[in-house]
Amino acid sequence: DTEVTQTPKHLVMGMTNKKSLKCEQHMGHRAMYWYKQKAKKPPELMFVYSYEKLSINESVPSRFSPECPNSSLLNLHLHALQPEDSALYLCASSPVGTSGRYKVTDTQYFGPGTRLTVL
Amino acid sequence: DAKTTQPPSMDCAEGRAANLPCNHSTISGNEYVYWYRQIHSQGPQYIIHGLKNNETNEMASLIITEDRKSSTLILPHATLRDTAVYYCIVRVVGTGRRALTFGSGTRLQVQP
Repeated sequence: DTEVTQTPKHLVMGMTNKKSLKCEQHMGHRAMYWYKQKAKKPPELMFVYSYEKLSINESVPSRFSPECPNSSLLNLHLHALQPEDSALYLCASSPVGTSGRYKVTDTQYFGPGTRLTVL
Repeated sequence: DAKTTQPPSMDCAEGRAANLPCNHSTISGNEYVYWYRQIHSQGPQYIIHGLKNNETNEMASLIITEDRKSSTLILPHATLRDTAVYYCIVRVVGTGRRALTFGSGTRLQVQP
């Protein structure tokens, strides 16, 4: 099973709302990622979790708050977003070498994404 | 990570081979070449990767030149479902950076 699931598929929220995006995988992967993709642009990295700890934050505004409650789940909490935050949010996962070393051949598997619209 | 250069768009007739080029002239010896594709509004899908030898799997073949400065992804019998944006990504070893850096990709349109 190489499936990464994301919920919801679509989300519309106002600028004062608080919402969460959810990502789940059961492949035993210990690295999980959030990417953001604007229309007609390639995906851009937001966050990386390795062994449930945040290892990379690509200078993402604090209105985006990631959380990795266990090795299978990754959340992205949203608060006070702006209309320019409207995008496709993609989750991915990959294996990590048993020693924790960077493993170049670790393939990333992506979920279908959540299409977010901020009004 | 080494930069990659891909043509912005290509057309291919259904049933014919699609050959997608990628230039990575600054690639270093420990960098792999990865290919992903993204069908409209879906998540990127892994296709294939290689270091220096040619690789083949059930989806595609990857041909890497001997000097490793360029590569070609081959879809042997393109179908309409292969219409997508194809990303060539080069990944460096040992920096601890785990994520993928996507370029602009090639938009492949398979024509009936």
